[in-house]
Amino acid sequence: AQRVTQPEKLLSVFKGAPVELKCNYSYSGSPELFWYVQYSRQRLQLLLRHISRESIKGFTADLNKGETSFHLKKPFAQEEDSAMYYCALRGLTGGGNKLTFGTGTQLKVEL
Amino acid sequence: KAGVTQTPRYLIKTRGQQVTLSCSPISGHRSVSWYQQTPGQGLQFLFEYFSETQRNKGNFPGRFSGRQFSNSRSEMNVSTLELGDSALYLCASSLESRGNLGFGPGTRLTVL
Repeated sequence: AQRVTQPEKLLSVFKGAPVELKCNYSYSGSPELFWYVQYSRQRLQLLLRHISRESIKGFTADLNKGETSFHLKKPFAQEEDSAMYYCALRGLTGGGNKLTFGTGTQLKVEL
Repeated sequence: KAGVTQTPRYLIKTRGQQVTLSCSPISGHRSVSWYQQTPGQGLQFLFEYFSETQRNKGNFPGRFSGRQFSNSRSEMNVSTLELGDSALYLCASSLESRGNLGFGPGTRLTVL
């Protein structure tokens, strides 16, 4: 069975402080990992995927297969980063668009 | 391009009734997936359709069904509604199966 764990329901940081949103996963095969974000009153949208190895809005995430983690990081938090963040997984082969989501972490950036 | 649209946005039904939700994908997208979002269980995959064929199915009872039309529009149906079916139902589309998903705003279903 595949599982995604986001241990923090709420993460509160000050503007300019570093941010790390934790994500751990359990999957028997090769996973493809994603971070999705939902800003207030907006739709769920893709932030980044590990295959792309890109930085979006200053966020990066590295897949660590040894620790089965895919933590989301940003060196300096901005007020506009306040949102709900979801980590998600699907199999690297097969599985179509069946994503397994974590329960989400609410990031609050305080001034 | 216009985003994924879902109708209706809000629904109130009573136990035992059935309901049909509709989703129009982004133009040109052939894959449509449905997810249920609840405070207790979070986001859970219901099913995926690609070129009118069900590709994947999540762990939901047979009361939950769906279909996709030749224009890629999709509907999902829930029969014999239960209180626990109250949720936000999200539709997502992608160009191909295993593509980047674009999500709709959701349909908020309340079962009384």
